Amino acid sequence: AQSVAQPEDQVNVAEGNPLTVKCTYSVSGNPYLFWYVQYPNRGLQFLLKYITGDNLVKGSYGFEAEFNKSQTSFHLKKPSALVSDSALYVCAVRPYSSASKIIFGSGTRLSIRP
Amino acid sequence: DAGITQSPRHKVTETGTPVTLRCHQTENHRYMYWYRQDPGHGLRLIHYSYGVKDTDKGEVSDGYSVSRSKTEDFLLTLESATSSQTSVYFCAIRQTETSTDTQYFGPGTRLTVL
Repeated sequence: AQSVAQPEDQVNVAEGNPLTVKCTYSVSGNPYLFWYVQYPNRGLQFLLKYITGDNLVKGSYGFEAEFNKSQTSFHLKKPSALVSDSALYVCAVRPYSSASKIIFGSGTRLSIRP
Repeated sequence: DAGITQSPRHKVTETGTPVTLRCHQTENHRYMYWYRQDPGHGLRLIHYSYGVKDTDKGEVSDGYSVSRSKTEDFLLTLESATSSQTSVYFCAIRQTETSTDTQYFGPGTRLTVL
């Protein structure tokens, strides 16, 4: 079965420190990979997307994600966290064979302490 | 929120009553989606549409129906609401006109079934 896993329900980081939010996936073929962010009482907002090419993808608000094909991972990273980065982060995958549907992870709540 | 509005934003209803949620878009996108978001489950696809009067089921479609009589509106109906349908419902569009080709989400509707 095709799936996306985010192994951490919550990640706590001090402001100014680097952060990593983990994501692994299980799909056949070469997938498209996404990260979204969700603030309270809002819908998901697109952060970045991997299709092909460079394994390091840069996105909005200083975030980047590293694609690792052998480990089937797509971890989200930021060199220096801000308190305003506190939110729910959701990883998603779109199988190459199913252009119209996206499979979402359950999300990781990121909390940045001052 | 990519020109997507949802109404109502909040609704409390009783078990057994019919409920209709509305999603409206202003940018003429072909694909529209309805998801529900529950703790521990992430976003799950209920139904989607790939054109006027063209719809298909998602992974959690039981108890829900949809209609799309014009491009801009996608309606989700709970024929007889149950407490298990208490959730936050999100509408999304797929933006295929750019290289990003991803989904963008509305602000959500919080539904409580008593």
